Amino acid sequence: DIQLTQSPSFLSASVGDRVTITCRASQGISSYLAWYQQKPGKAPKLLIYAASTLQSGVPSRFSGSGSGTEFTLTISSLQPEDFATYYCQQLRGFGGGTKVEIK
Amino acid sequence: QVQLVESGGGVVQPGRSLRLSCAASGFTFSSYGMHWVRQAPGKGLEWVAVISYDGSNKYYADSVKGRFTISRDNSKNTLYLQMNSLRAEDTAVYYCAKVLYGLIPWPYDSSGWDFDYWGQGTLVTVSS
Repeated sequence: DIQLTQSPSFLSASVGDRVTITCRASQGISSYLAWYQQKPGKAPKLLIYAASTLQSGVPSRFSGSGSGTEFTLTISSLQPEDFATYYCQQLRGFGGGTKVEIK
Repeated sequence: QVQLVESGGGVVQPGRSLRLSCAASGFTFSSYGMHWVRQAPGKGLEWVAVISYDGSNKYYADSVKGRFTISRDNSKNTLYLQMNSLRAEDTAVYYCAKVLYGLIPWPYDSSGWDFDYWGQGTLVTVSS
């Protein structure tokens, strides 16, 4: 099975900051990667699929890039509603998550 | 609007069974594959099972294979997860999730693994 490793696992940032989260796959996965946002007590929400395609309704400050084994999720200007945990996913595997908290 | 509503969770003793349901509305249920994903308390996401849009194909995580059965009733717009021989490590919030694209051929490539809508989750606690 392909392993997905997210870094960092915890991130402290301020409103307005540019934030980047990395997801590394244990072997090449082409562009088959999705990103989800999860807030406490809520279901995950699809942000990005196919590595860089923004899901309908998701703000444009979110972007995804990468292919092969290294992928990134970038939030260009962190907003108060973006404080959450973010997960990458490739087929049936999920990364361990990155919790983004307020500095 | 798309809605997925899970039910059937609760407290159950180890070794016993439980059936979860996921009632779907707001889309053509019979055209979309569906998944179950779970999340143990304070932990990350774990994929559990998938079923094709017509119910003819199913696939399970190794951790539940032989114990859990995914099924669907397209006439009732409902997805199910029958959980047998439950263990303490099955304790989790269980989410149903809809595949982004409809009528995807089996076996699924990546397009069958993007989940655009999720239910609110139902908590299953396995404890004596």
